[in-house]
Amino acid sequence: GAVVSQHPSWVICKSGTSVKIECRSLDFQATTMFWYRQFPKQSLMLMATSNEGSKATYEQGVEKDKFLINHASLTLSTLTVTSAHPEDSSFYICSASLLSGANVLTFGAGSRLTVL
Amino acid sequence: DAKTTQPPSMDCAEGRAANLPCNHSTISGNEYVYWYRQIHSQGPQYIIHGLKNNETNEMASLIITEDRKSSTLILPHATLRDTAVYYCIVRPLTGGGNKLTFGTGTQLKVEL
Repeated sequence: GAVVSQHPSWVICKSGTSVKIECRSLDFQATTMFWYRQFPKQSLMLMATSNEGSKATYEQGVEKDKFLINHASLTLSTLTVTSAHPEDSSFYICSASLLSGANVLTFGAGSRLTVL
Repeated sequence: DAKTTQPPSMDCAEGRAANLPCNHSTISGNEYVYWYRQIHSQGPQYIIHGLKNNETNEMASLIITEDRKSSTLILPHATLRDTAVYYCIVRPLTGGGNKLTFGTGTQLKVEL
């Protein structure tokens, strides 16, 4: 079955530094990947759609210069949180579709970011 | 994506069937009903989807009313590992950019 891997699963960084999170589709190619953010006790909020070979599409209210997305290959998308601040501490989750016709998304296990 | 309404929480005894309802009264003719769940501190997991016929797989059954305005996800023999937030989402099979919009879901707690 389709597997999406995220790395790292958790990261702690100092305020002002940048953090990169990787999302890989392990056994399939994904022209599109999605990045979500989830704060404690809240639902998942879509941040952006990552498109292979082109610019990401950001949801309203998400700063594209702060959350840099790169989708350089059909199996890898990266999210870089630049100049992280404590309010960026959250659970970041990526997903991809196998495009089997069922329109089903496979999600990674998530990456927990804590900014001190 | 059309709006769905789910109860915020439900409890179920282990070994019993868990029936999770979802209202989607504004569902369009080309929209399917999808169910995902999220176990604490993990990514969401796809469970099942359907258009108008009842569906069953190794994880669950999906019962959709004839008017398609509501549905019920059934976990036939709930276990402690089924404790999770369950999300009901309606969306087209194609189009919409594939993205999923999550509501607040139902927190299912399976207890001994």
